[in-house]
Amino acid sequence: TQLLEQSPQFLSIQEGENLTVYCNSSSVFSSLQWYRQEPGEGPVLLVTVVTGGEVKKLKRLTFQFGDARKDSSLHITAAQPGDTGLYLCAAGSGNTGKLIFGQGTTLQVKP
Amino acid sequence: KAGVTQTPRYLIKTRGQQVTLSCSPISGHRSVSWYQQTPGQGLQFLFEYFSETQRNKGNFPGRFSGRQFSNSRSEMNVSTLELGDSALYLCASSRAATYEQYFGPGTRLTVT
Repeated sequence: TQLLEQSPQFLSIQEGENLTVYCNSSSVFSSLQWYRQEPGEGPVLLVTVVTGGEVKKLKRLTFQFGDARKDSSLHITAAQPGDTGLYLCAAGSGNTGKLIFGQGTTLQVKP
Repeated sequence: KAGVTQTPRYLIKTRGQQVTLSCSPISGHRSVSWYQQTPGQGLQFLFEYFSETQRNKGNFPGRFSGRQFSNSRSEMNVSTLELGDSALYLCASSRAATYEQYFGPGTRLTVT
């Protein structure tokens, strides 16, 4: 069974601080997605990483896919209260649209 | 382009009843997947439909079923509701067999 382990599970920081969220697995994935979810809403796709070692930037967010395509990280620079939410990593399973999700990292950024 | 829509947004049902949830995917998307989200288990895959065929199924009892129509709209049904079925049910669509899925806002089901 493929599993995605995210760490940390909870993070409470002050506005302006930096943080990194990790997503690890023992399995190799063809691609990995990061989503952000706000309370009462569905997850919103932030990025897809495909190539081992790939780095993608989305404003203050930097996403990296491990060289062996088994792990990924999300780094936020100078966090803002608007970054508050649940961050989820997900990876595909098989050749269908089934996604396996990590347990998520709840981020709270205090003003 | 309109996003994924789900109806209803909120639902309260009693144990033993059944419920049907509806999902309209993004125009042009032929794959629709359903997920259950609970605080304890997180997001868990229920099933996926592509061109009206169930292509994959998660580890849920047979009380959970679904279908997809020719216009790609999908419904899921839960029969004989149990308290543990209380959850946020999310629908996601994608173009084909890709893992970039776009989620709807979900249906919050409460079973009393």
